[in-house]
Amino acid sequence: SQTIHQWPATLVQPVGSPLSLECTVEGTSNPNLYWYRQAAGRGLQLLFYSVGIGQISSEVPQNLSASRPQDRQFILSSKKLLLSDSGFYLCAGKLLEKLFFGSGTQLSVL
Amino acid sequence: GQNIDQPTEMTATEGAIVQINCTYQTSGFNGLFWYQQHAGEAPTFLSYNVLDGLEEKGRFSSFLSRSKGYSYLLLKELQMKDSASYLCAVRGLYNFNKFYFGSGTKLNVKP
Repeated sequence: SQTIHQWPATLVQPVGSPLSLECTVEGTSNPNLYWYRQAAGRGLQLLFYSVGIGQISSEVPQNLSASRPQDRQFILSSKKLLLSDSGFYLCAGKLLEKLFFGSGTQLSVL
Repeated sequence: GQNIDQPTEMTATEGAIVQINCTYQTSGFNGLFWYQQHAGEAPTFLSYNVLDGLEEKGRFSSFLSRSKGYSYLLLKELQMKDSASYLCAVRGLYNFNKFYFGSGTKLNVKP
């Protein structure tokens, strides 16, 4: 079965600092991978998705970027964090018809 | 684009039945999903409808009407552990890779 590993679980960063969140996948090859962000009490906003190595689709213009250097690795980055980047970040993979999520990273930008 | 609407919050009693509605307007549709999310945790998959009708899975059932752009999640014999947010999501027709989520319905189950 597919497992999504995501770390860290929580992160507190100052405004203007860089960000790197990593997601790795086990149990499947060439998965579609996704980054979502969830603001407090809100739904999930699709940020990026990737269908393969080096292939990134961005959903909304923002202060973030994504990269897929390996088949089972998906990285979310920022050069300079903003207060508005705070939220719960979820990595997901698609298996058959469904999305499976990692455990998430709660990012607080102060 | 995608426009997915759900009630913000609902309250129900342990042992009762509750129906959570979801309406959507999309430029294309290829499947509707329901996820459960406990506070501070990742969403977990509950159900998937691509054709009209009712899909039953234990205490949970999900219904879809594509012509009406409408779905509901039915939870029977409510338990306290069912207190969570329930997210409705739609997959795009022209891009099977895109999944769009509603804002979620927070369900409070009371004794």
